[in-house]
Amino acid sequence: SQKIEQNSEALNIQEGKTATLTCNYTNYSPAYLQWYRQDPGRGPVFLLLIRENEKEKRKERLKVTFDTTLKQSLFHITASQPADSATYLCALANQAGTALIFGKGTTLSVSS
Amino acid sequence: GAGVSQSPSNKVTEKGKDVELRCDPISGHTALYWYRQSLGQGLEFLIYFQGNSAPDKSGLPSDRFSAERTGGSVSTLTIQRTQQEDSAVYLCASSLAGYAYNEQFFGPGTRLTVL
Repeated sequence: SQKIEQNSEALNIQEGKTATLTCNYTNYSPAYLQWYRQDPGRGPVFLLLIRENEKEKRKERLKVTFDTTLKQSLFHITASQPADSATYLCALANQAGTALIFGKGTTLSVSS
Repeated sequence: GAGVSQSPSNKVTEKGKDVELRCDPISGHTALYWYRQSLGQGLEFLIYFQGNSAPDKSGLPSDRFSAERTGGSVSTLTIQRTQQEDSAVYLCASSLAGYAYNEQFFGPGTRLTVL
């Protein structure tokens, strides 16, 4: 079955540093990969989508890479700020393309 | 415009009772999804509605779970004979069109506690 792993449950970094979060998947080749942010007590909020034929996508301080050979996506936040502290979820389209399969998330804490 | 809304925000029920959870998607969004998030777990897909097509129910964990979407808009998730393991946050999302390459907009969730 399709499986997604986000390698770190928690990541602690200092303000101003670059945070790098990892998402690995097995058992299939998704056409799309999405990243979401979730704050406590709230629903996830969409951040970025990257397609299988795109190697990299950027949005302000965010950068996502998608390596279909390694079956891995990296999510970077540059010049991190305490306001970036949240749980970040990786999500892949299921084989039918009808729904998203989410990883368990990585909780990022940025200290000032 | 208004985002996805869900009600109630919290629901406490006794084991064996039935519960109904409501989702109002963003107007004009044809796709609607239900997910479940248990403590320390990722989001678990439950069911997907797209327009007038038959829903994808492949994620429903048992026949105690059902959902309907009336008029292509509001959706209700029903859990019959609730069990303690049903305790979780139930999230609804909608997207402009079907298929998982579209951005999904999530509601705030309903926290269900089964005593």
